[in-house]
Amino acid sequence: ELKVEQNPLFLSMQEGKNYTIYCNYSTTSDRLYWYRQDPGKSLESLFVLLSNGAVKQEGRLMASLDTKARLSTLHITAAVHDLSATYFCAVDLTASGSRLTFGEGTQLTVNP
Amino acid sequence: DAGVIQSPRHEVTEMGQEVTLRCKPISGHDYLFWYRQTMMRGLELLIYFNNNVPIDDSGMPEDRFSAKMPNASFSTLKIQPSEPRDSAVYFCASSWPGQGGLGKNIQYFGAGTRLSVL
Repeated sequence: ELKVEQNPLFLSMQEGKNYTIYCNYSTTSDRLYWYRQDPGKSLESLFVLLSNGAVKQEGRLMASLDTKARLSTLHITAAVHDLSATYFCAVDLTASGSRLTFGEGTQLTVNP
Repeated sequence: DAGVIQSPRHEVTEMGQEVTLRCKPISGHDYLFWYRQTMMRGLELLIYFNNNVPIDDSGMPEDRFSAKMPNASFSTLKIQPSEPRDSAVYFCASSWPGQGGLGKNIQYFGAGTRLSVL
């Protein structure tokens, strides 16, 4: 059974600081997704990582994938309040991206 | 496109009643997914369809739950009879393998239905 674990589960940080969220998974996979969820809202796709060594960046967020270590990271650079949300990683065991197993989510709060 | 549309947004019902949740996927998407989100269990995949055919329903908790997709633009998730432990947010998502670039198959989520069973 695939297990996807994120840490930390809760993260409170100050604006302007850097931090990394980790996503570990238990079974070989070459496909990993990051999503963002604002309180009471839906999930929004952030990144899709499709191969070992893949790196994607959008604004202050950068995601990477190490399939050998079964690890993905989401790095936050110079955090701003607007980044406050819950971030989920999701791993797919199929070749098509159709059966995602989600991590528990990391609730990020960026304080002024 | 209006995105994935779910209805109702909120549903409050009493234990034992039948509940039907509805979903309209993004036009052209051939995958449709139903998820349940709770504090205790997180986000769980219940069932997914490809070209209107159920592919994997291993996440459906029990026989009280059923899902149908009669055509490419409509799906329902039914709970009968409902129980208090079914209270959760239910999300529908849809995808197309070519969306966002070949092979990515990004899932787009609806706004969710918040179900409360009293």
